[in-house]
Amino acid sequence: DAGITQSPRYKITETGRQVTLMCHQTWSHSYMFWYRQDLGHGLRLIYYSAAADITDKGEVPDGYVVSRSKTENFPLTLESATRSQTSVYFCASSDMSSWGLTEAFFGQGTRLTVV
Amino acid sequence: DQQVKQNSPSLSVQEGRISILNCDYTNSMFDYFLWYKKYPAEGPTFLISISSIKDKNEDGRFTVFLNKSAKHLSLHIVPSQPGDSAVYFCAAPLNFGNEKLTFGTGTRLTIIP
Repeated sequence: DAGITQSPRYKITETGRQVTLMCHQTWSHSYMFWYRQDLGHGLRLIYYSAAADITDKGEVPDGYVVSRSKTENFPLTLESATRSQTSVYFCASSDMSSWGLTEAFFGQGTRLTVV
Repeated sequence: DQQVKQNSPSLSVQEGRISILNCDYTNSMFDYFLWYKKYPAEGPTFLISISSIKDKNEDGRFTVFLNKSAKHLSLHIVPSQPGDSAVYFCAAPLNFGNEKLTFGTGTRLTIIP
């Protein structure tokens, strides 16, 4: 299916465990993003990537690791999950136009609970 | 510190009436703004945007107004429909290339049939 998909949709993990959230897009967009959504904070950017092998920090990168070996995939890893990382995570992608990035297209989200 | 603020967490509007969602920003360097709409259990979807060289942008039932002197933008939905019930986020790019979007906290709009 065309678009941007995240997996899993729901995940429960224990404090201290490593967990990876997957994101895959079929548009060949150059840019990909990870956001988290928390009550009272809206959406906050964790990391983004301008192209394969190019990543950069967003507003709240601590505790997260990303990689982008292929254009279509952008996994997000929590190396040692903490309760404060309980959140809904959204992956997004967008492309570059002559005036800047086009609007971002978001995946359906992954609801992560750390117990 | 929130650079884009949506001070109304929720809003209820009668079907057929106008819905007005507000957003304030603190950074006068912002030159582009976006509105996203989000249904439960789905990702946000882009709705409409406005560049700072304009003070109004219209797309069907949706119009965004920008008041640069007041650092304020608003989204008008006319007429409001039940399918408009969703959470609306305003956003602005933190940098020239638009890679880093900063979002408001959202306003939950409920359209009453």
